[in-house]
Amino acid sequence: GENVEQHPSTLSVQEGDSAVIKCTYSDSASNYFPWYKQELGKRPQLIIDIRSNVGEKKDQRIAVTLNKTAKHFSLHITETQPEDSAVYFCAASVPNNNDMRFGAGTRLTVKP
Amino acid sequence: EAGVAQSPRYKIIEKRQSVAFWCNPISGHATLYWYQQILGQGPKLLIQFQNNGVVDDSQLPKDRFSAERLKGVDSTLKIQPAKLEDSAVYLCASSFSRNSGNTIYFGEGSWLTVV
Repeated sequence: GENVEQHPSTLSVQEGDSAVIKCTYSDSASNYFPWYKQELGKRPQLIIDIRSNVGEKKDQRIAVTLNKTAKHFSLHITETQPEDSAVYFCAASVPNNNDMRFGAGTRLTVKP
Repeated sequence: EAGVAQSPRYKIIEKRQSVAFWCNPISGHATLYWYQQILGQGPKLLIQFQNNGVVDDSQLPKDRFSAERLKGVDSTLKIQPAKLEDSAVYLCASSFSRNSGNTIYFGEGSWLTVV
């Protein structure tokens, strides 16, 4: 089955700096890669996603890149703000089966 | 639009006792998921339903966990008997269909502590 690895497990940045979180996946058939943000005690919420036919997607300060050959994808947050502090999870799923496999998460802390 | 509803939010039980969690997905969502999230880890899929049928329960510890979605809407996850290592947040989620790329929406979770 699919295995998703995520790093780093913790990341601390100064407000205004950029943050990058990286994930690798094992199943070359995976074609959908969402990123979820989970604040303490809250539900995971989708912040951005990318499909395998696209190499990059951007939404304001958030961008995701995908390298299918290397089987890795990354989340980029620019101009970080304290409210970006949360745990971020990457995930991957294969066609015809929304069985999402999640990474272990990255705890991002943005220091004011 | 109402989100995924779960109850109870918090539960503390002793080991070997039983517990049940309830979930009401977003209206119109055919696919329902139960995830287990242990502290410090990512959500792990326990079971996936398409309408009232199970499509994937390969990671469900069937000796103690059971789940049903009898009418294709609400679902119940039961643990009996509970073990200490079952302490976790149980997240219910739903999506419009099980095709890859359908956004999965999570509930707030049911926090279980087994003592």
